[in-house]
Amino acid sequence: QKEVEQDPGPLSVPEGAIVSLNCTYSNSAFQYFMWYRQYSRKGPELLMYTYSSGNKEDGRFTAQVDKSSKYISLFIRDSQPSDSATYLCAGPSQGTYKYIFGTGTRLKVLA
Amino acid sequence: NAGVTQTPKFQVLKTGQSMTLQCAQDMNHNSMYWYRQDPGMGLRLIYYSASEGTTDKGEVPNGYNVSRLNKREFSLRLESAAPSQTSVYFCASSERGRTDTQYFGPGTRLTVL
Repeated sequence: QKEVEQDPGPLSVPEGAIVSLNCTYSNSAFQYFMWYRQYSRKGPELLMYTYSSGNKEDGRFTAQVDKSSKYISLFIRDSQPSDSATYLCAGPSQGTYKYIFGTGTRLKVLA
Repeated sequence: NAGVTQTPKFQVLKTGQSMTLQCAQDMNHNSMYWYRQDPGMGLRLIYYSASEGTTDKGEVPNGYNVSRLNKREFSLRLESAAPSQTSVYFCASSERGRTDTQYFGPGTRLTVL
């Protein structure tokens, strides 16, 4: 089992929809998680980070962690065509500088 | 403030050729990383450098070597390129801190024929 898993998509939604992107993780030692956004032919850029409990909100984006089920979610409200990108979740291995990345979910927001 | 820069942006090699990918950061970060990204495989760590003067293997180090030239620069060398090394290569850096957020460069697209 991979340490971090994501559905690769693509996920297509109409503009204005609420989007839910999900990851599962297996390493209970992960204490915090990152969401990166990657536009086509660009490097990943940090979108949000959240510690391993509760929710974090930033504008239209909300990151949520459910420790009991080892489930990470990113919600996008009022989705826009400019949100079309690949979203990667990542968890850092405890005590190291290594990140474990999911394979990414490709999102398309249709105008 | 350019962040993380990588050169070249694109490269085509023949099997057996060698090349060096260059990476530099201007954020005074201690740690630097090299990843490769392949369809369906996500980002995989090749090598990382926790601080100037140290390097360590990541998940897929075979066929690669690295040099942490100074605090700013971290290069990745392919001594004898193979078609399996066709990929997009990303360099990243992070400040040694609690959240240890990684900042990525724009990537190098490498094709080995």
